[in-house]
Amino acid sequence: AQRVTQPEKLLSVFKGAPVELKCNYSYSGSPELFWYVQYSRQRLQLLLRHISRESIKGFTADLNKGETSFHLKKPFAQEEDSAMYYCALGGGGGNKLTFGTGTQLKVEL
Amino acid sequence: NAGVTQTPKFQVLKTGQSMTLQCAQDMNHNSMYWYRQDPGMGLRLIYYSASEGTTDKGEVPNGYNVSRLNKREFSLRLESAAPSQTSVYFCASSRQGAYGYTFGSGTRLTVV
Repeated sequence: AQRVTQPEKLLSVFKGAPVELKCNYSYSGSPELFWYVQYSRQRLQLLLRHISRESIKGFTADLNKGETSFHLKKPFAQEEDSAMYYCALGGGGGNKLTFGTGTQLKVEL
Repeated sequence: NAGVTQTPKFQVLKTGQSMTLQCAQDMNHNSMYWYRQDPGMGLRLIYYSASEGTTDKGEVPNGYNVSRLNKREFSLRLESAAPSQTSVYFCASSRQGAYGYTFGSGTRLTVV
């Protein structure tokens, strides 16, 4: 069975500090990993996907198959980064996504 | 451009009542999904429809039924609501074969 683990429910950092949101997965096939974000009073939206190897809003995430991880990183946190972040794993047919439990990021001034 | 529209936004039900949550998308997506979001549990898939005319169970289907009415619409029905179904429900859609979901704004359901 596929599983996504986000060990931190809440992560508090100061503005300008580095951010790392942890995500580990369990999947027997070739994984497709994603980060979704939900800002306050907004809809859940796709932030980035591992296959694109892109940087969105200063965030990057590298798939590490050896450690089965897909941590989300940003070198300098901004106040507008405060949101709920979900790691998601695709696979198993039907375009289904398995989501982690989410990490609430709070950027303090 | 509406994207994914969910109705209603809020609902309070008494235990045993039934209701249908509506979802419609205008992006010509083939695949549609229903998730529930609970504190500490993340998003869990209830049912999905990979394409028009097909529906399949997700992780937590018990107590729910779905109908893919046409390509645009995918409804979720609670036949006999229970307090354990108090949650925020999200509908999403995507192109077939793609994981870039577009989400609706959610329905906050309380069962008393």
